[in-house]
Amino acid sequence: AQSVTQLGSHVSVSEGALVLLRCNYSSSVPPYLFWYVQYPNQGLQLLLKYTTGATLVKGINGFEAEFKKSETSFHPTKPSAHMSDAAEYFCAVRSRTGNQFYFGTGTSLTVIP
Amino acid sequence: GAGVSQSPSNKVTEKGKDVELRCDPISGHTALYWYRQSLGQGLEFLIYFQGNSAPDKSGLPSDRFSAERTGGSVSTLTIQRTQQEDSAVYLCASSFSYGRARGETQYFGPGTRLLVL
Repeated sequence: AQSVTQLGSHVSVSEGALVLLRCNYSSSVPPYLFWYVQYPNQGLQLLLKYTTGATLVKGINGFEAEFKKSETSFHPTKPSAHMSDAAEYFCAVRSRTGNQFYFGTGTSLTVIP
Repeated sequence: GAGVSQSPSNKVTEKGKDVELRCDPISGHTALYWYRQSLGQGLEFLIYFQGNSAPDKSGLPSDRFSAERTGGSVSTLTIQRTQQEDSAVYLCASSFSYGRARGETQYFGPGTRLLVL
C-alpha cells in the first residue's frame, strides 16, 4: 500500500504571502499524484495533478507544483495567498498499476487578513 | 448528469437502524469509489467498483457495511445496525477506468452527512 504524508495539518499564512502545501509519498515507482481542495461546505475538487509529461503542472486558482522524482514529494505553491484560498487540501496518490487512491489526512489552510 | 450526485444529502438515524446511501456517477465513468470522511480526519477508502464488480473491498470497516452497483452506474452503500461511530460524511467519486486512464481524475459528489443518534 502507498503511504501518503501531509506535513502540517494546519497552516496559516498572511494574505499576499506564499502558500506552500507539502506532501510526501512512499513508492518505488512514481505514482500518479493529485491534490484536491475542499472549500467550506463544498465537495472535493481537483486542485492539480501530475501524471506524465511536463514536471511543472499548473492547477486552479494560481497553484502550481513541480514533480521531482528523486524527492518523492509533491508540494503545491501559490505566490500570493488570497482569503478565498482558505480551505482543506488533500494530497492523493494512485499507483500506476493499482486502482485505489490513497489520501493524506488533509491540511487546513487559514489565510490571515 | 453533469457531475456525481449523492442522496440523501443529510441523514439522521437512530442507532441500530439500517441506512442506504446512493451515488450516481458521471455518465461513462466505469470506476466508482466510496470514502468516509470523519470529523477532522482524512478520507478513508471503503470500496471500489470497476463496472459492477468490486475487486477491492478491503476498506469496509465491518460486515455491517456492504455496497453494490447495478448496470455499471448507480451504487448503493448500505450500513446495517448503525452505530454512533458510523457518523461521518460518506463521499462517492467516479473516474474513467484503469489502464491508460489511471491518471484520470476522480470526481467527487457532495457527500451524504450521516448522523447516528
